[in-house]
Parts: sequence; structure tokens; C-alpha cells
Amino acid sequence: QLQLQESGSGLVKPSQTLSLTCAVSGGSISSGGYSWSWIRQPPGKGLEWIGYIYHSGSTYYNPSLKSRVTISVDRSKNQFSLKLSSVTAADTAVYYCARAAFWSMDVWGQGTTVTVSS
Amino acid sequence: QSALTQPRSVSGSPGQSVTISCTGTSSDVGGYNYVSWYQQHPGKAPKLMIYDVSKRPSGVPDRFSGSKSGNTASLTISGLQAEDEADYYCCSYAGSYTFVFGGGTKLTVL
Repeated sequence: QLQLQESGSGLVKPSQTLSLTCAVSGGSISSGGYSWSWIRQPPGKGLEWIGYIYHSGSTYYNPSLKSRVTISVDRSKNQFSLKLSSVTAADTAVYYCARAAFWSMDVWGQGTTVTVSS
Repeated sequence: QSALTQPRSVSGSPGQSVTISCTGTSSDVGGYNYVSWYQQHPGKAPKLMIYDVSKRPSGVPDRFSGSKSGNTASLTISGLQAEDEADYYCCSYAGSYTFVFGGGTKLTVL
């Protein structure tokens, strides 16, 4: 059974770069037909799609975040990562990683809380 | 890319049916048959309930159904149960390999 687990810095200072990793177990991140996504949820608010990396390595980002986001994959470690630069308090959120099968996200990690504060 | 519009809250009694709407534009909901719905209980990760407008993943009860008309998609939950109380989010493909979520709807089972 495929499982995803987020990890990374829980506290980030304003203007710095947020870095998170999603470890994939129970399956290969190189499996064709899937993409690997990041989604976030600010406290008390709704979900926001951040972006994803396709199994081919192509990346696609939310236009509102595109200038600050980088998603990459490490196939040797079966994991993918998120970097979000120049963070502000508005980037405080629970960050989820998920597998997308075509046009929906069918397997989600449990989420990790990131707080932006000095 | 604006968030899809959902009602802030809906409610229903056990056994009843409720419908949650999700309104977008011809650039997202209306333009593609790629609407999905997610259930989220407090403090938990979202769970996929419906994909491609009306398809149910394995394990999702058939009490959950989806449909679409024009720029509005809908999630209907029939035979409402206490455990259905949760937040529900719609999501649509929005072209150029991007997605957009709705603002979320809180379902209360009375």
C-alpha cells in the first residue's frame, strides 16, 4: 500500500526558504502515469494547490506561486521535495504531499505544519 | 486562477440527502470533465471521494455521487450518516497542467 510522509523544517524565518521532503513507500516514484504534488492549507482555511512534478520530470506550478516554487525528485531515495523561497507569514500552513493519478489526488500524506515567524 | 465557489456550510439530518455545489468557469469546471471531491475530517488529511466528475474510488460508499452541469459541479450525499460530518472540497483541472480548489464546505449532520 502506497504511503507518503512529509518531513522538513517546521519553523522558517521570514524571507528564508521553506524546504520539505515527501518520502514515498510501498511503491516507486518512477512509476509511469503518476505525478507527485504539493498542496497546502493555511490555518482555518481551504486547500491550495502548489504544484507537481510529473514522472517524466516535468514540473507545473500554481501561477500565483510560480516565481517562488521549485519541486524536484530524487529517484534514488524515492522521494520528492518542495522549496518555497522568500516566505512570509502568509505561507504558514499545513503542507501535504500527494500522488496524482491523472487529474485527481488519490493518496495523501498526513501533512506537516510549517510556521513562518522570526 | 480564482478559487472555485462553494457554499460555506450545508446541513442535513441522518438519512437525508444533501448536495454541495462547486461553481467555476468555462476555463476550469465547465471546460473539462476533471472535477474531484475530497472529504476532510478535523486534523486529518483530505480523502478522495469522487474523481472525473462522477467516478468513485474503490472503498467509497455509493451514497456519494457527483455530477456536473455547465460550470457547476455537485456532490450529493444520500442516506446521510454521522460520520459524513466533515469539510468537503472540490477541485478542477484548470488547463495548462494546473489545478484549482474550491473554498470548502462544512457539512453538519444534525
